[in-house]
Amino acid sequence: AQSVTQLDSQVPVFEEAPVELRCNYSSSVSVYLFWYVQYPNQGLQLLLKYLSGSTLVKGINGFEAEFNKSQTSFHLRKPSVHISDTAEYFCVTYQGGKLIFGQGTELSVKP
Amino acid sequence: KAGVTQTPRYLIKTRGQQVTLSCSPISGHRSVSWYQQTPGQGLQFLFEYFSETQRNKGNFPGRFSGRQFSNSRSEMNVSTLELGDSALYLCASSLEGVNQPQHFGDGTRLSIL
Repeated sequence: AQSVTQLDSQVPVFEEAPVELRCNYSSSVSVYLFWYVQYPNQGLQLLLKYLSGSTLVKGINGFEAEFNKSQTSFHLRKPSVHISDTAEYFCVTYQGGKLIFGQGTELSVKP
Repeated sequence: KAGVTQTPRYLIKTRGQQVTLSCSPISGHRSVSWYQQTPGQGLQFLFEYFSETQRNKGNFPGRFSGRQFSNSRSEMNVSTLELGDSALYLCASSLEGVNQPQHFGDGTRLSIL
């Protein structure tokens, strides 16, 4: 069955530092991959998506992700984070008519 | 353009009761899906409705049901509430289906006493 694994439950980082949130997927079929962000007391917001084509995907708020088929990874990166990036981030895939969520990574940006 | 609206935002019920949650999708979106978010199980897909028909269903008991109206608005019903049903219930909409980027509402926080 399709699944996604987020390798870090919490990532603390200082403001203006780079960050990488790691996600591995498992699938033998075509891949749909998404990263969503959830701010406190809010729903999820799409950061970026990979459906096909270029393996480097650029999203909103300066985030990007790279689809790596050989390593079955879809890591999210940002070169310089802001306090406002503090939130929970979800790696999500689609299979069989359903969305499947990773367990989430809490990004905490400190001044 | 208005976003996805979920009502109510907060709800308190007792065990054994039933509850109905409402979701109004973005205008023009025909797919509405529902999710349960808990600290222990994380985010889980409940079901998707498209053109008033349930198209896909997650691994939840039959106490969880839903429907979609002709204007694409959707309701979710949970009967015989259990303590474990305490969760944030999120609704999302998209033009055609769950494989497209989803627009989420802010959720309904359900607490079972």
